[in-house]
Amino acid sequence: QLQLQESGPGLVKPSGTLSLTCAVSGDSISSNNWWNWVRQTPGKGLEWIGEIHHTGSASGTTNYNPSLMSRVTISLDKSRNQSSLKLNSVTAADTAVYYCARVPGGCSATSCFFDPWGQGTLVTVSS
Amino acid sequence: EIVLTQSPGTLSLSPGERASLSCRASHTVRSDYLVWYQQKPGQAPRLVIYGASSRATDIPDRFSGSGSGTDFTLTISRLEPEDFAVYYCQLFGSSPMYIFGQGTKLEIK
Repeated sequence: QLQLQESGPGLVKPSGTLSLTCAVSGDSISSNNWWNWVRQTPGKGLEWIGEIHHTGSASGTTNYNPSLMSRVTISLDKSRNQSSLKLNSVTAADTAVYYCARVPGGCSATSCFFDPWGQGTLVTVSS
Repeated sequence: EIVLTQSPGTLSLSPGERASLSCRASHTVRSDYLVWYQQKPGQAPRLVIYGASSRATDIPDRFSGSGSGTDFTLTISRLEPEDFAVYYCQLFGSSPMYIFGQGTKLEIK
C-alpha cells in the first residue's frame, strides 16, 4: 500500500530555511508519477507549492507555484526513495501544515488529482 | 488566473438529508480536471471525486459529482455521520498549476 510520510523540524526561525522530506513506501520515486508539496493555513487554505518528476534532467523536472518560486526548491533522493522541500527566507506567513502528495501518472487527458496524501506536518515559523 | 469559489461556506444538515455543495470557476475550465476532496479534523484531504464525476476508490455511491463549464456540484444523497467534514474542490489549470477552492464545511445540524 502506497504511503507518504512527511518529516522535518516543527519550528523554524524567521529568515531561516524550512526543510522537509517525504518518505515514499509502496512505490518508487522513479516511477511515472509527479511528487507534490501542498501546504494548508487557516487563512489561505490549501496552497500548491510545487512538484517534481524524476525525468528530464539529472535533478528531475520541477514546476513551482509562481508566488513561491523564488524561495522553493524540490528535489528527489532516489537512494532513499524520498522527496525533499526547501523553502528559504521564511516568515510567519509560512507557518502551515505541509503535505506531500502524489499525482499518479501525471495529469492525463482525462484526469489529474492528488492521491494519496501524507498525513502532514506542522511547521511553525517563530523566534 | 482562475479562481474557484465554493458555496456555501458552511452547510448545516441532518443525517439522512441530501447535501449539495457548489464550486464555481471564474473562467470555463475542463471538467476532466475538476476534483473534490474530503478533509476531517486532523487528517489529510482524501480524494472523493475526480474528472468532475468519477468516484475515487472506496468512495460510497451516495457521493456524486456533476457539472461543466464554470459550475460544478458535489452531491451526497443521504448523509451519514461520517460524511460531515470540510470539502474542497480543486482544479488543474495554468499558472499556478493546481488551484483549490476555499472549502465548504458540512456540519451536523
